[in-house]
Amino acid sequence: AQKITQTQPGMFVQEKEAVTLDCTYDTSDPSYGLFWYKQPSSGEMIFLIYQGSYDQQNATEGRYSLNFQKARKSANLVISASQLGDSAMYFCAMRGSQKLVFGQGTRLTINP
Amino acid sequence: GAGVSQTPSNKVTEKGKYVELRCDPISGHTALYWYRQSLGQGPEFLIYFQGTGAADDSGLPNDRFFAVRPEGSVSTLKIQRTERGDSAVYLCASSALGRGGSNQETQYFGPGTRLLVL
Repeated sequence: AQKITQTQPGMFVQEKEAVTLDCTYDTSDPSYGLFWYKQPSSGEMIFLIYQGSYDQQNATEGRYSLNFQKARKSANLVISASQLGDSAMYFCAMRGSQKLVFGQGTRLTINP
Repeated sequence: GAGVSQTPSNKVTEKGKYVELRCDPISGHTALYWYRQSLGQGPEFLIYFQGTGAADDSGLPNDRFFAVRPEGSVSTLKIQRTERGDSAVYLCASSALGRGGSNQETQYFGPGTRLLVL
């Protein structure tokens, strides 16, 4: 069975600082995909970034980057130069078959 | 273009009643997914459609839950004899690929339906 673990229930960061959100995973599948989603208070899940298990390089999308360490089974999200609008819940998810398996989420609060 | 839409945005019902939740996926997306998100939790998979057929319904909690996608586009999640424990946000997602698709296939989510069973 696949499992995602996010150990930080909440994070508080000053505006303009970088922040790392932790994610570890467990799977026996040799091929899998890792995703990060943002969920603001409005409730919609917004796709941020994807990392494939066979990708040689860490994924980047604008201010978002994924620190993928396959041997450690970790896929941490790094947000550079945080903004007030980054305050939200962040979910790490894994896809091995068609469905996504999500972690518990981390609530990120950006302070001015 | 238009994203995934879900109706109603909120639904309040009484214990024992029947409810239907609707999902309209992104045009052209063949795969459609339903998830349920309880307060303070991550979304949990319910069912996945590839075209008109349910390819994986292993997440449906019991036989009170049923979903259809008769024309391969809009889907309806149906809950019979609702219970207070069914209260949650029901999220729908769609993706462009499905059958044999790669793990990179991104699922795009709708705003969800907040169901409250009194």
